Amino acid sequence: QQQVKQSPQSLIVQKGGISIINCAYENTAFDYFPWYQQFPGKGPALLIAIRPDVSEKKEGRFTISFNKSAKQFSLHIMDSQPGDSATYFCAAREGSSNTGKLIFGQGTTLQVKP
Amino acid sequence: NAGVMQNPRHLVRRRGQEARLRCSPMKGHSHVYWYRQLPEEGLKFMVYLQKENIIDESGMPKERFSAEFPKEGPSILRIQQVVRGDSAAYFCASSGRHSEQFFGPGTRLTVL
Repeated sequence: QQQVKQSPQSLIVQKGGISIINCAYENTAFDYFPWYQQFPGKGPALLIAIRPDVSEKKEGRFTISFNKSAKQFSLHIMDSQPGDSATYFCAAREGSSNTGKLIFGQGTTLQVKP
Repeated sequence: NAGVMQNPRHLVRRRGQEARLRCSPMKGHSHVYWYRQLPEEGLKFMVYLQKENIIDESGMPKERFSAEFPKEGPSILRIQQVVRGDSAAYFCASSGRHSEQFFGPGTRLTVL
C-alpha cells in the first residue's frame, strides 16, 4: 500500500513563530510532492510543491525541505500568522504510472495563536 | 476565469437512495480526479478520468460507485443505494496532463 505519513496531527504555534510539518514516504517512484492548505468547508488549495531533484524550495513564508535519502519532506511556515490557521496536507504522486493520482497524508491542523 | 465547480455543495440522502455529484473542470483541463474525505482524515483517491475514458479507478469501491466524464458536460460521480458510511466530502480536481491539480469546493454528502 502506497502511503504518505504525516506528523504531527495537530500543531499550535504563537504568532510570529515557525510551524513545521513533516511527511515521510516509502515509494521511491514518487516524483512530485505538493502541499495543500484547506480551510473549513473549503476544498484543498495548492500551496507549494517540490520535485526530488532539489532539496529546498521557498515561496514567500513557505518553504519545503526535501531529503531524498531519508524519504522525508517538510513544510516550514515562517512568521506564522493567525490567517495560516488551517489544515495542511502533504501529498505525493508516482511519476512512472499512467495516472496522476495523489496520495495524501493524514493532515495537520495548525492553529496560530495571536 | 472560473475554477473547478462542483454541485451540489451539500446533499442529503436517505439510505438506499442515489446520489449524483457533478464536477465541471477548469477551462482547458481535460483530466478529472475524484477524492473522498472522511471526517478528520486525509483525501483518498477514487478515480481518474479523461474525456469519455476512465483511466484509473483503483480507489473506487467495486459496488454502487461509478463515474463518467462525457464528451459534453460535467463529470458525474454516482453512488447508488447509499449507506451511512458513504457520508463524506467528495472533492473533484482537474488538471492539464500531469500538471498541478486544482480542487473544487467539494460536495458534502450526508446519508440519513
